[in-house]
Amino acid sequence: GEDVEQSLFLSVREGDSSVINCTYTDSSSTYLYWYKQEPGAGLQLLTYIFSNMDMKQDQRLTVLLNKKDKHLSLRIADTQTGDSAIYFCAEVDSSYKLIFGSGTRLLVRP
Amino acid sequence: NAGVTQTPKFQVLKTGQSMTLQCAQDMNHNSMYWYRQDPGMGLRLIYYSASEGTTDKGEVPNGYNVSRLNKREFSLRLESAAPSQTSVYFCASSRDREPEKLFFGSGTQLSVL
Repeated sequence: GEDVEQSLFLSVREGDSSVINCTYTDSSSTYLYWYKQEPGAGLQLLTYIFSNMDMKQDQRLTVLLNKKDKHLSLRIADTQTGDSAIYFCAEVDSSYKLIFGSGTRLLVRP
Repeated sequence: NAGVTQTPKFQVLKTGQSMTLQCAQDMNHNSMYWYRQDPGMGLRLIYYSASEGTTDKGEVPNGYNVSRLNKREFSLRLESAAPSQTSVYFCASSRDREPEKLFFGSGTQLSVL
């Protein structure tokens, strides 16, 4: 079945760039997603990329997609303490349901 | 403009007790979902309802039942709670089955002793 994998933890210094990586298995996914979960809250859609794109930029966020390697990354430029959260990547299965990774906890040190 | 509202926010149960988690959305969405979130495992889909009057099993449906009461409300019931059901439960909704934008509730922290 479909599987999405992420590293569990990333720590960066405030002002540095953060790169969160994800690998997925379902090559037929039309979209791939990044969600953000702040402490005590539900998930919020951060950004998504259509599968025929290689890159999408949205202010401080850059999403890179390597379809050949089934690798997705999220780069956050000028990381701030408010970016500390858990970040989930997700793909869509054949029934249009989201399959989430286990989440990467990003800690931003002052 | 509440979005997705879940109740209760916290609940402690004893093994064997039953309870119902409530979820309501005010965005006129067709599809609603129940997920559980466990440490290191991400979110796993329990049940979903693609439209009013329909429900389908997700990845981990055992031990749960759901009711799509109307277009707004989708409840999750634990008939006989087990410690393995200790988790954070999230309800979500989307306009259609294409999940390009899921809206999540703030979650229910459930502990089963």
